[in-house]
Amino acid sequence: SQTIHQWPATLVQPVGSPLSLECTVEGTSNPNLYWYRQAAGRGLQLLFYSVGIGQISSEVPQNLSASRPQDRQFILSSKKLLLSDSGFYLCAWRHRGTYEQYFGPGTRLTVT
Amino acid sequence: TQLLEQSPQFLSIQEGENLTVYCNSSSVFSSLQWYRQEPGEGPVLLVTVVTGGEVKKLKRLTFQFGDARKDSSLHITAAQPGDTGLYLCAGLQSSGDKLTFGTGTRLAVRP
Repeated sequence: SQTIHQWPATLVQPVGSPLSLECTVEGTSNPNLYWYRQAAGRGLQLLFYSVGIGQISSEVPQNLSASRPQDRQFILSSKKLLLSDSGFYLCAWRHRGTYEQYFGPGTRLTVT
Repeated sequence: TQLLEQSPQFLSIQEGENLTVYCNSSSVFSSLQWYRQEPGEGPVLLVTVVTGGEVKKLKRLTFQFGDARKDSSLHITAAQPGDTGLYLCAGLQSSGDKLTFGTGTRLAVRP
């Protein structure tokens, strides 16, 4: 069966510091991968998605970037965090040609 | 930009009551998913509907996809405190790689 991991689970970082969040998927190959941000108790904002290694589509101009160095690894980064980067970050995967999308457990980021 | 509007935004009901959550759009979707999310966790997929007019049941939850595949509803019968959470609908367009998520409905069921 497929599983998706995210780490760290929680992170507190000062303004101006770098960021690296990692997401890995097990039990599948060539998935579409997604990064979302969620404001407190609200809907999901798609940040980036990837349909293959090295292929990144950006949805929202921002202080963040994404990379996919391996088939089942998706990384969200920032060189200098802003207060507005605080939020709940979710990684998800889906097989192309199917409907169902599955989410990881999320990372709570607080920028102070 | 395709939008999925959910209503109501917030709902607080007593255990045992029935409720319906709506998910509406002006766009046609090839499929629509419903998720439930608890605080501090990722959304969990409840159901996928694909065919216009399709109805699916998951215990006390009934999901319906509109005939024109632009809207959906979630009906919960005899709500229980365990149903508490954030409910999200999400639509996938036939040509797309990404889901469009609804604005969310926060449900609280009081014992």
